[in-house]
Parts: sequence; structure tokens; C-alpha cells
Amino acid sequence: EAEVAQSPRYKITEKSQAVAFWCDPISGHATLYWYRQILGQGPELLVQFQDESVVDDSQLPKDRFSAERLKGVDSTLKIQPAELGDSAMYLCASSGRTGSDSYEQYFGPGTRLTVT
Amino acid sequence: AQSVTQLDSQVPVFEEAPVELRCNYSSSVSVYLFWYVQYPNQGLQLLLKYLSGSTLVKGINGFEAEFNKSQTSFHLRKPSVHISDTAEYFCAAGGSQGNLIFGKGTKLSVKP
Repeated sequence: EAEVAQSPRYKITEKSQAVAFWCDPISGHATLYWYRQILGQGPELLVQFQDESVVDDSQLPKDRFSAERLKGVDSTLKIQPAELGDSAMYLCASSGRTGSDSYEQYFGPGTRLTVT
Repeated sequence: AQSVTQLDSQVPVFEEAPVELRCNYSSSVSVYLFWYVQYPNQGLQLLLKYLSGSTLVKGINGFEAEFNKSQTSFHLRKPSVHISDTAEYFCAAGGSQGNLIFGKGTKLSVKP
């Protein structure tokens, strides 16, 4: 069964350092999402791509976060510099292109980030 | 504003007892509704979904949910829980851009 891949699974970094997360969606899925999940909360959307274009990045802290999906396949989320409040689980998800398929999202295992 | 509310943050229950996890959604979200389960340090796994049709939806692991439009609810139920059902459960609704809006989660703790 096809899965969403993410790496690394765990990352510990010091504040002010740069970190990057990678996501490979299910093959053929046009839409890719990055969510942030703070401990004890539900996931919140950071950025949504349709192919290589950003559809929604209204909740992405653009002074320190950046995301790209250059060829419309895999994606990288970067934080520079990391702050203590960035400690969270970062989840990637993907979905099909049209209609109700676009809401059925498949999640990767996530990257647990700890900023010290 | 688009929102999903999970009324209970924690639900303790004994093994083999029935359980209901409550979820209400705002009328401004779409009526595409989902329940996901998350085990510690893992991603989210889809339990079931309501897109259209029958208001009673059956999912994996013996879970089911009922869509109630008049009460804007989508409660999750299981007639008999197992220790292995201990996890966090998230209700979600489709947003205007095709994204998902999640509730804050309910931690289900099944005791022997």
C-alpha cells in the first residue's frame, strides 16, 4: 500500500539553528499539506500545495518558515532560525486532485522536532 | 469561523464497555467529515469518513459514526473497546480550500 514518507522521524536542534524536513507524497497525489501539531492539540495547516503552486500559506510564519515543492512531487519545509516554540510534530499529508478525493488526506508518520 | 469542537479532552473507559467520542462542527465548514486515530509519536490514520449518502458510517477496527445535520454532530462510537484502542482521536471537517480543520482531540484510555 502506498504511503507518505517523511524524514527525519526525530530531530533535536538548538534554538537559532536551521532545520529542514522532507516529505514524499503518495505517487500521483497533486495536493500536499504541511501541518504542525503542538502537544495536546490537533494539527493546524501551515501550507498547502497544488502541484508546485502554493494554494494557502496564510498560517505559515514567513519570517522563519519556508516551504517548496519545486517539481510538484516531494517537498521540503525549512525553519531558520528555530525557536523554542517551534517544538512540535510536523505532519505531511497528500490527497487526490478532484472533488471529495481532495479531502481524503493520507498522513505520513511525522517529524518530531525538539528545540533546546 | 470554521471550527470543529471535540467536547471531551479525555475519556476513560473499561475494556469491553461501549464508548462515544463527541464531535460538533460549525455550519461554515463543509459536510465532509472524518475521524482519525493517532498512536504515540505516529501520524494520523483514517478511521472513517462521511462524504455523502447514508448518515451511519462504518470504519475500521469496529468504529462507526453518525452524521446528524440538524445537530451539526458527527459522534464516533464503538460497542466494545479493547486495550489496543487506547489512542488519541481527532475529528476533522473539510475547509474551504480542501484542507482539513481538526478538533483538539480526545484521548481514549481503555483500562483492564
